[in-house]
Amino acid sequence: ETGVTQTPRHLVMGMTNKKSLKCEQHLGHNAMYWYKQSAKKPLELMFVYSLEERVENNSVPSRFSPECPNSSHLFLHLHTLQPEDSALYLCASSQRSFRQGAYEQYFGPGTRLTVT
Amino acid sequence: AQSVTQLGSHVSVSEGALVLLRCNYSSSVPPYLFWYVQYPNQGLQLLLKYTSAATLVKGINGFEAEFKKSETSFHLTKPSAHMSDAAEYFCAVSEGNRDDKIIFGKGTRLHILP
Repeated sequence: ETGVTQTPRHLVMGMTNKKSLKCEQHLGHNAMYWYKQSAKKPLELMFVYSLEERVENNSVPSRFSPECPNSSHLFLHLHTLQPEDSALYLCASSQRSFRQGAYEQYFGPGTRLTVT
Repeated sequence: AQSVTQLGSHVSVSEGALVLLRCNYSSSVPPYLFWYVQYPNQGLQLLLKYTSAATLVKGINGFEAEFKKSETSFHLTKPSAHMSDAAEYFCAVSEGNRDDKIIFGKGTRLHILP
């Protein structure tokens, strides 16, 4: 595997279900991100992990729970979701440094989530 | 705080014609700028990035972008559109600090007419 992979690619779940999204980066990066992409809305940054520590949580509802067990893996645990949570969930990684620079992010293909 | 504005949520060009996707940014410090492309059912792919080394930046697939500080713009161009260029394009800005994040525009969907 190369780059950033995400599983599953598609997920349909009921509002009472519990599921998890998985992301794995094979780039040796030290930061990982979760984004939500909804129709007609800009990309929404949800969580940022840098060196396995959560450094940002953009007022995301508690029904979304991230986990970063190591620098290569990132999970998004889902429970009691709402229909408006249906979206494409994108994972990304980057190599952050203590120096100023352009830290471009590399994205996975996303998980298309449908909440019924 | 930095921000990005992409003019036109949809742009249509004929195959073989010039592609021009507009992006204006706002940043309190010299910015780092990016263009990403998203094909259907895929994630975002980096097309090119501006890091202050040169104002004209060449990217993949024949795209290039020019940084114009006086206009706070970073428009994306391609001389001749191809059907495979149909996708959504995102302009993004970062201030390049260690803990800073990338701010994405709302995206422009490019349609290629045969």
